[in-house]
This record gives sequence, C-alpha cells and structure tokens, in this order.
Amino acid sequence: DTAVSQTPKYLVTQMGNDKSIKCEQNLGHDTMYWYKQDSKKFLKIMFSYNNKELIINETVPNRFSPKSPDKAHLNLHINSLELGDSAVYFCASSQEGNTGKRNTIYFGEGSWLTVV
Amino acid sequence: RKEVEQDPGPFNVPEGATVAFNCTYSNSASQSFFWYRQDCRKEPKLLMSVYSSGNEDGRFTAQLNRASQYISLLIRDSKLSDSATYLCVVPSDTGRRALTFGSGTRLQVQP
Repeated sequence: DTAVSQTPKYLVTQMGNDKSIKCEQNLGHDTMYWYKQDSKKFLKIMFSYNNKELIINETVPNRFSPKSPDKAHLNLHINSLELGDSAVYFCASSQEGNTGKRNTIYFGEGSWLTVV
Repeated sequence: RKEVEQDPGPFNVPEGATVAFNCTYSNSASQSFFWYRQDCRKEPKLLMSVYSSGNEDGRFTAQLNRASQYISLLIRDSKLSDSATYLCVVPSDTGRRALTFGSGTRLQVQP
C-alpha cells in the first residue's frame, strides 16, 4: 500500500511549458505539503494545506499554484517552466499541521522535474 | 546562526564503527526535533524524534543539548545499510507551523 503517491515520477519538459504533478494520500491525514529539493539537497517547504485550506505559502513564484480538491489530494501546477525549476518535488502529509513530536511527516517518492 | 546547520560530510566509516553527527539550530524556543533518513534518490523517512531527556532506539541514540542549541545522533555498530543522508529537522523560527530540514550529513559505511 502506497501511503503518499505522486505522479509523474519523472518529467522532462521544455522551458515555457505548463505542467502538473498530482499527489494523493490514503492515510487519512489532515495536512498535506509540497517540498522542493534542489541540486544542493536542501529540502524546502513550498506550501502546506490543512483540510483543503492553505496555511503555509512560502515565497515561491506565483507560477506555482497548488490545488486541493479534497483533503486527500494536493496537486501542484507550474506555469511557464524555467530552467531553475529543475528539482525533485516531494509531496507529503501529516496527521496535524503542527510541529509536535508525534507528528511524523510521510513523503511521497518524489517527482524528478527536468526543464530543458 | 543559521536556522539549522549540519556538517555535509561525507563521513566514511568502516562497518562496526561508532559515528556521531551534530546539528545546530537557531530557535532557542524550539521544543521538537527529529532525525530523518534519506537514501540516495529516495524520499526522507522519519528515523527518530529527539526528546529532551535523550532517547535510544536500538543502535541509534539521539541527544538534545539546549544550552548549546544542538542535537546529536549516535550510531553504534554501523552497518552497510546505514549508508544514507541523515537530515536534522527543527521547527521553523519564522513563527509558521512548519519544520525546517537541514541539508543533511552523508554517511558511507564501508566493508
């Protein structure tokens, strides 16, 4: 059973294109996230949703737009892709949107985006 | 001081060795700390939470030093399968409900 699943796993696309990454979790969690891991391996939060409501929106370009149709899904749409968007994008979920000790974050396998 | 900082390594150790990593953090009000493990080209996974009194899980021991604002991870009797990147995770000091991940310390256990 895959707890947090995201598609596609690999995506190669040209600059200027628009692409989406889909994410679903079957853990019954209330909070979902999008993280970006760049070539230097820094894992940075981009967005956080709690029960379909946006609670964290980091300073990412507005070309990135998350969509949460329900609390089990959080999709990421990227417009006008740029070379610098190349990275691994991880979807994740947790039971609560806080930083408590028992609030484990479960990550999807990652989506490897390469913009050429 | 950076929000969270780790020595990137790599730490190259022989099987059976004991190895320790430290991680410093800036937010003195932080209450919850974690170590995550990330294998090459895989997603991060929780290794262990760090409690104020320190905690142990098999060969792994996590310690918190509030005075000096660092947490540590000790691995005893290293196995080849311990080779991975270990991410230190602390609450964000920007007031938002989020966790900040360190850039990780890479461990390579050699036969």
